[in-house]
Formats: sequence, structure tokens, C-alpha cells
Amino acid sequence: KQEVTQIPAALSVPEGENLVLNCSFTDSAIYNLQWFRQDPGKGLTSLLLIQSSQREQTSGRLNASLDKSSGRSTLYIAASQPGDSATYLCAVTPFSGGYQKVTFGTGTKLQVIP
Amino acid sequence: DVKVTQSSRYLVKRTGEKVFLECVQDMDHENMFWYRQDPGLGLRLIYFSYDVKMKEKGDIPEGYSVSREKKERFSLILESASTNQTSMYLCASKFANTDTQYFGPGTRLTVL
Repeated sequence: KQEVTQIPAALSVPEGENLVLNCSFTDSAIYNLQWFRQDPGKGLTSLLLIQSSQREQTSGRLNASLDKSSGRSTLYIAASQPGDSATYLCAVTPFSGGYQKVTFGTGTKLQVIP
Repeated sequence: DVKVTQSSRYLVKRTGEKVFLECVQDMDHENMFWYRQDPGLGLRLIYFSYDVKMKEKGDIPEGYSVSREKKERFSLILESASTNQTSMYLCASKFANTDTQYFGPGTRLTVL
């Protein structure tokens, strides 16, 4: 059974700092990996999706990398801003492409202090 | 923009009540999903639907049922609510041939 772990559970950084969020998974036979953002009391918003054949994806100040062999993904946020404060979740879709089997991590709660 | 709406943001019900949670999407997505989110457990799939009138159990279907009579609407039903069903419920949808799910704002259900 796929397990997805995000450490740390919470992170607090000063504004302007570059930071890295971590996601690890136990089964490397994945179809893709997604990073989501969740604001308090709200749903999830997709940030980046990396297919299994890709190594990284970039969107603005965000860069996500994927290392399937080691079962790890990182989300790099450059020049963090208070508006980046949210919970960030990663989710892994298995190689079979069965969307019912998507496994979510429990998230890292990020606070960017002005 | 894709829009996924859920009928209530907050809901308080009594033990034993029948509860209906509604989800509507406006993008003609084939696939729809119901998750619950609990602290320390992450999102867990309750049910999903490939298309109209089609449904499949997820990881934790016990105590829940679903209905998808129209493409845009996916309903989650708690036949007899219990306190352990207190949770945040999230609906999502997507096209069958794409990877990205679009989530609704969530319904925070409290069962007393």
C-alpha cells in the first residue's frame, strides 16, 4: 500500500526566504505526482503536476522536482511571501492510472511571517 | 474557470439523521469524487463516479452512499449520521482523460 509522508508538518519562515517542502512515497511505480495548496477551511488548488517521465515542473516562484528512484519530491518556493501561507499537500497517482487510488500526504502547514 | 460548488460550507446534524451533501460542477467533467479530510489522516476517498449513474467504492465507503443521476451533480448520503462522521468533506471533479482534479470549497460537517 502506497504511503505518502510530508515532513515537517508545520514550518514557519520569515518573508523573503527560499524554502523547500518535502514529500516522500513508498512505492516508486507512480503515474504522476501533484502538489496542491489548501487555504484554511477551503478546498485544494492544484499547483504543479509532474508526470513520472519528468524530473521537474516550474510555475512562477514554484519549482517541483521528482526523483522516483528515491521516492521523493520537493516543492521549492522562492522569495516567500505572506500570501504563500497555506497548507501544501502532495498526492501520488499509481502507475495503473486508477484515479481512485490517489494517495494524499497529510500536508505541511506553512506560515510566512512578514 | 472551473467551478465546483458544494451545497453547504458548514452543517450541524444530530446522530441518526440522514444527511445529504451536494456537489455541482459546471465543466462537464466525467469523473467526480468525494473525500473526507481529517487531521493527521489526510484525504481519504469515500466514493467516486466515472460518469452518470456509475459509482465505485473508495477506501472508506462504510456508512456512506452516493448518487449521480446527472453529469454535473454528485451527492453523498450519510444514511444514519454518527459522531465519527464529523469531518471536512471535499468534492472534486475532472475530465476522464486528464490528471488534475478540481476541488470544491468543502463542507465541514459536525454530528452531535
